Amino acid sequence: DIVMTQSPDSLAVSLGERATINCKSSQSVLYSSNNKNYLVWYQQKPGQPPKVLIYWASTRESGVPDRFSGSGSGTDFTLTISSLQAEDVAVYYCQQYYSTPYTFGQGTKLEIK
Amino acid sequence: EVQLVESGGGLVQPGGSLRLSCAASGFTFSGKWMHWVRQAPGQGLVWVSRINSDGTTTAYAGSVKGRFTISRDNAKNTLYLQMNSLGAEDTAVYYCAKTEAAPKHFDLWGRGTPVIVSS
Repeated sequence: DIVMTQSPDSLAVSLGERATINCKSSQSVLYSSNNKNYLVWYQQKPGQPPKVLIYWASTRESGVPDRFSGSGSGTDFTLTISSLQAEDVAVYYCQQYYSTPYTFGQGTKLEIK
Repeated sequence: EVQLVESGGGLVQPGGSLRLSCAASGFTFSGKWMHWVRQAPGQGLVWVSRINSDGTTTAYAGSVKGRFTISRDNAKNTLYLQMNSLGAEDTAVYYCAKTEAAPKHFDLWGRGTPVIVSS
């Protein structure tokens, strides 16, 4: 199984400041045949299902504010929120869909400082 | 409206069984791969199972293999999860989710149905 490890487990950032969440996979999730990274970022707020933010590691989902961006390739990935807004308080998960079982990171809880 | 609505959750005794359903609407259900994902109270997300568009291939997490069975009825636009030999570790909110094609990210999620395994 591919193990997904996020860091940090929790993060407190001031409004308007940058937030960075990291995700590392135990093996590469890059398919050489199409040069795509099978990595997605979700946002989950209390009592709600996860919401897609970024897929293919760096493609923003339609309707997601452009302050959210994803980067990385192979085994190391980053979700960046360029200017934190109050509504961004949530838990963020990375997930690989390269192979079953499709594994998630443990989550990063983002709060306002 | 494009949506997934889960049902069938509830309180069940250890060793018991439960069947979850997920009703799909607003999209061509028969063309999508479907998944179950669960989340224990206060914990993270765990993928449980997936089924391809015509129901001929399935996959399971190791923790549920041999106890859970995923299936679908494309005529009824419904996904199922038959859960047997339930234990306390299966207590969670169970979400169904779809992918446009496989493998791809889960682009639509239901709101979940809670399963509590307790005596």
